[in-house]
Amino acid sequence: EAQVTQNPRYLITVTGKKLTVTCSQNMNHEYMSWYRQDPGLGLRQIYYSMNVEVTDKGDVPEGYKVSRKEKRNFPLILESPSPNQTSLYFCASSFREEAFFGQGTRLTVV
Amino acid sequence: QKEVEQDPGPLSVPEGAIVSLNCTYSNSAFQYFMWYRQYSRKGPELLMYTYSSGNKEDGRFTAQVDKSSKYISLFIRDSQPSDSATYLCAMRGPNSGYALNFGKGTSLLVTP
Repeated sequence: EAQVTQNPRYLITVTGKKLTVTCSQNMNHEYMSWYRQDPGLGLRQIYYSMNVEVTDKGDVPEGYKVSRKEKRNFPLILESPSPNQTSLYFCASSFREEAFFGQGTRLTVV
Repeated sequence: QKEVEQDPGPLSVPEGAIVSLNCTYSNSAFQYFMWYRQYSRKGPELLMYTYSSGNKEDGRFTAQVDKSSKYISLFIRDSQPSDSATYLCAMRGPNSGYALNFGKGTSLLVTP
């Protein structure tokens, strides 16, 4: 079954404590991306990757890092989380017109 | 001005009604138009995809694109309670890779 798997699903953390949200896809897609979804703002792209070792900023990259060492994995790293990064995060893996989204990670930074 | 505008609703209709969901956009370079459906606590999933202008039908769902007016629509016929979800329009240009521009989503509730 085609899947994008994110972990964890829910995370509460404190300001400044580094965290990583993992994302893995089993469809051999080259293009992967991270979005955050906020009420009234919709889905906004944070970072994307067109292939292994190729990443670039999306619309809201400040405070985030990513890496793409393997085709299937695309982790999102928050080096020093702040409360304004409290959000619902989605990883997506894309091919042509279709983006496959993970189940989401609800992050709360206190 | 945001590139993609979508009325957030919420929209509440009785079961069996015809539902019309719409988005407008400002970037004339957009050529690929999609509708995603997002159930509560789930990730969005692709519902319909249209390239350039025209209509596309899939069962109870019809997607329309009017590039001259920069306006896209999704029609749902014979709406069902299981159609209750948030519907997001998305679009991209030919040279943007796979980066999507999303509307904010319209929340739809179909009541029995």
